[in-house]
Amino acid sequence: GESVGLHLPTLSVQEGDNSIINCAYSNSASDYFIWYKQESGKGPQFIIDIRSNMDKRQGQRVTVLLNKTVKHLSLQIAATQPGDSAVYFCAEIGANFGNEKLTFGTGTRLTIIP
Amino acid sequence: KAGVTQTPRYLIKTRGQQVTLSCSPISGHRSVSWYQQTPGQGLQFLFEYFSETQRNKGNFPGRFSGRQFSNSRSEMNVSTLELGDSALYLCASSIGSTQGRGEKLFFGSGTQLSVL
Repeated sequence: GESVGLHLPTLSVQEGDNSIINCAYSNSASDYFIWYKQESGKGPQFIIDIRSNMDKRQGQRVTVLLNKTVKHLSLQIAATQPGDSAVYFCAEIGANFGNEKLTFGTGTRLTIIP
Repeated sequence: KAGVTQTPRYLIKTRGQQVTLSCSPISGHRSVSWYQQTPGQGLQFLFEYFSETQRNKGNFPGRFSGRQFSNSRSEMNVSTLELGDSALYLCASSIGSTQGRGEKLFFGSGTQLSVL
């Protein structure tokens, strides 16, 4: 069945360093991927998305890389700040599906060490 | 533009009671989805409403229901509460399309429900 997973449940990074959060997916038909950030006591916040016709997309301090060959997605955060501490989720969905098929990973807890 | 607003923020109920949660989507968004978030199960899809109609439903029992009003605001109801219903209930809105294709979701802060 479909699954979206993360390689590491926790990640600690020194403030100012770059961080990389990884995500693997199993559905080769997935064509839309989203990264969310969830801080304690808040709902998931949209960070960045990418479609399968791209392999890289950049935002402010964040970059998402998509490797369709190995079904792998990563989120890179540059120059991490204390406010980046949160749980990060990847989510994926196939081209012909509605929101009910948006599948979320279990999340990686990122801790920024001052 | 205001974000997705959920009320109340916290709720404490006892087994057997029922509860109603409210969600106001981002202005202009016509689709509202509800998710249950627990530490063990992660984010699980409950249902989606579009133009006052339930368009999709997840694998939850009939005790979980919802509705959407003409202004796109949505409510979800859980009847005969069980201990296992304790969770963070998240509402998410999206622009919505008649095709019902997957879209970028914007989440509210959720309602933390505790069932005692």
